[in-house]
Amino acid sequence: DGGITQSPKYLFRKEGQNVTLSCEQNLNHDAMYWYRQDPGQGLRLIYYSQIVNDFQKGDIAEGYSVSREKKESFPLTVTSAQKNPTAFYLCASSGRTSGSMAGELFFGEGSRLTVL
Amino acid sequence: AQSVTQLGSHVSVSEGALVLLRCNYSSSVPPYLFWYVQYPNQGLQLLLKYTTGATLVKGINGFEAEFKKSETSFHLTKPSAHMSDAAEYFCAVGLPNSSASKIIFGSGTRLSIRP
Repeated sequence: DGGITQSPKYLFRKEGQNVTLSCEQNLNHDAMYWYRQDPGQGLRLIYYSQIVNDFQKGDIAEGYSVSREKKESFPLTVTSAQKNPTAFYLCASSGRTSGSMAGELFFGEGSRLTVL
Repeated sequence: AQSVTQLGSHVSVSEGALVLLRCNYSSSVPPYLFWYVQYPNQGLQLLLKYTTGATLVKGINGFEAEFKKSETSFHLTKPSAHMSDAAEYFCAVGLPNSSASKIIFGSGTRLSIRP
């Protein structure tokens, strides 16, 4: 089945460690996104990529980094510079980068990161 | 600039009762509007969207929403709640013909269903 796979689903990290969250899609979508979700705050955009080898910062990019070497993959690294990394992280993709279909986001099941 | 406000962080209804989740938006241009649903520890799934045309939009699982420009609202309704509707619901606003990176999400409304 087509979809988005995020791993790991749960991750624990010690302070000062970097951690990488995986996101893979087999929907043949051009655009991919990373969101952070905190209780009562909705979703906030961290980074997005509309094409391979290109990505842009979202609203809360500080302390995070990404790469887009393949169309299918968009990993997110949470660095030690991120002051409050404990959160639920969601990866999404979209088949269009503009037009009426652009807002239809397909989400993975998320990765919950806890810093100990 | 765009913004979206969901009134009520938690709504509780009885099984079989009307579900009404409120969403108001602000946009300098005619917006695209979305409702997404999130079940516990899962990602979001699109329920319905309004882009242009008919202002009453029907979605999955019996939900519908009406775009009311004069009230800047896009409330989500379902005539009869089912236990399986318990989830968190997010309203979102986007710009026409723009990337999904422009979408702004509301803070969410948790829907509980009483037996």
